[in-house]
Formats: sequence, C-alpha cells, structure tokens
Amino acid sequence: SQTIHQWPATLVQPVGSPLSLECTVEGTSNPNLYWYRQAAGRGLQLLFYSVGIGQISSEVPQNLSASRPQDRQFILSSKKLLLSDSGFYLCAWGFRNTIYFGEGSWLTVV
Amino acid sequence: GNSVTQMEGPVTLSEEAFLTINCTYTATGYPSLFWYVQYPGEGLQLLLKATKADDKGSNKGFEATYRKETTSFHLEKGSVQVSDSAVYFCALSDQNTDKLIFGTGTRLQVFP
Repeated sequence: SQTIHQWPATLVQPVGSPLSLECTVEGTSNPNLYWYRQAAGRGLQLLFYSVGIGQISSEVPQNLSASRPQDRQFILSSKKLLLSDSGFYLCAWGFRNTIYFGEGSWLTVV
Repeated sequence: GNSVTQMEGPVTLSEEAFLTINCTYTATGYPSLFWYVQYPGEGLQLLLKATKADDKGSNKGFEATYRKETTSFHLEKGSVQVSDSAVYFCALSDQNTDKLIFGTGTRLQVFP
C-alpha cells in the first residue's frame, strides 16, 4: 500500500531563517506531488505541483520554492522566512485523479 | 475558472442529529468531486468521492451525490456522533490534471 510521510511535524523558526520541509511517498512510482498551505482560518492553497523529477510548477508567487530531487521525494524550501509564511503545510500525492495527503507540518515564524 | 463554494460554519449539532453540508461548484467539463475531513491537529483524509454525474460516494455513514443539473455535491449523514467533529472540505479535481480546488471548509461541532 502507498504511504506518505512529511517532516518535521512542528517547527518554530525566526523571521529571516531558512526552511526545509521534506516529504516522501512509498509504494508507488512517478506520482504527481503537491505542496498545499493552510493559513489560520483560511482554506487550502496549492503552492507547488510536480509531475516528475525536476519538474515543478508554481501556483502562486511567493518566497518559497520546491524541488524534486528523486521520484518520490518533494522538498519545500525558503531562504528567508517571513511572518506571513506561518501556517500548516501539507504534502500530497496524486493517482488516478485522487489526491492523498500527509500528516502536515505546523510552521510558526516568530 | 473552476471554483467550489461550501456553506460557512460552524455547524453545531447534537449527537444523532441529521447533517447536511452544502457544496456547489463551477467547472468546465466533467470534474471529479471529493469530500475531505480534517480532524483537529491532523492532515486531510479522503472521506468520499464521485467521478461522474449521479454517482453517490459513501463512507463511514456519510454520503454525497454528484448532481450535475444543480452543480452540487452536498454531504449528508443521518446520525452524527461526537467523533465526527472536524472540518469538512469539498473539492473538485480539474479534468485534465490531478489538481484539487478546495472550498473554504466547514467546521462541524457535535455535542453529546
């Protein structure tokens, strides 16, 4: 069966510090991968979308970036965090028109 | 463009009450429709889905029917439990990609 894991689960980072959130998928090959963000009191916003290694589509302009160095690995990064980057970040993978989510990572920028 | 509109919450119910959370969509073509549930402090879990008109998705006592004529996918449950307290998201999947477009979520609070 397929599983998805992301880490860390929780982190508190100062403004201006870097960020790296990692996500891996097991039990499938060449999945579509996604990063979503859920800001407090708001819905889900698609940040990045990847259909293969090295192929990243950005959905919204921001100071975040994403990379896919391996088939089942998806990384969300920032060089300098802003206060507005705080939120709940969700990695997901897609198969046959259905998307499955990881456990999420809570980021608080202080 | 494609969009999803769902009723604002919170929805507050007593245990064993009937639940309806409304969801309507705007889309070109024939999207797939989904309900996801988010329990406190957790990620999103797929609750049910429907891929074509008149399909009924069901899981854990929840149901939703894909109504193309009214562009709706309302979530229903005949008898809610305290453990159903969560945020429920309606979503549609773009016909040509896997990208999901979400509604803003509806918080359900069930009291004993």
